[in-house]
Amino acid sequence: DVKVTQSSRYLVKRTGEKVFLECVQDMDHENMFWYRQDPGLGLRLIYFSYDVKMKEKGDIPEGYSVSREKKERFSLILESASTNQTSMYLCASSFLAADGYTFGSGTRLTVV
Amino acid sequence: GENVEQHPSTLSVQEGDSAVIKCTYSDSASNYFPWYKQELGKRPQLIIDIRSNVGEKKDQRIAVTLNKTAKHFSLHITETQPEDSAVYFCAALNQAGTALIFGKGTTLSVSS
Repeated sequence: DVKVTQSSRYLVKRTGEKVFLECVQDMDHENMFWYRQDPGLGLRLIYFSYDVKMKEKGDIPEGYSVSREKKERFSLILESASTNQTSMYLCASSFLAADGYTFGSGTRLTVV
Repeated sequence: GENVEQHPSTLSVQEGDSAVIKCTYSDSASNYFPWYKQELGKRPQLIIDIRSNVGEKKDQRIAVTLNKTAKHFSLHITETQPEDSAVYFCAALNQAGTALIFGKGTTLSVSS
């Protein structure tokens, strides 16, 4: 069973803090993705990566950056957290882009 | 970029009825269309997908149809059961074919 593990289930951070969300997959998948999920807005793509050290902007990259130093790990960084970044963050991985994604359990981030 | 519209946003049916959720997409080059089910408090999980070289695919009570000319695809659930209650998301590949763009979701409620 493919496992995508997100390090924190719930996180509370203060405005202006630098926040790291970690995601690890154990199936040697090439592709990894970060989405945020908000009620009524579905899943919106923040960043993705198709190889180590490679990254691509999604539809809503502003205020975020990512890091992929190892194939199994994809980190989402909020450079200076703001209240409008309060959301559920979902990491996913897949072998091919046109393939089923396996999602992590999500990190519910609250910025106060 | 790719845009995916999903309707309806909520759907209530009686147990045993059929449910249909429809999605339209904007990029005619898209060739992969998955559907995900997200139960309350859980991660999205792939339930069925279809590629552009077929018009229909079935898996027990679930089927997906694709109309490439009209750029729309639909999820059909027959003989609905209370455990089908969840949020359903459709998705299509972005223009570059590198990541999935999701619809906003449909909340399906099946009452017994």
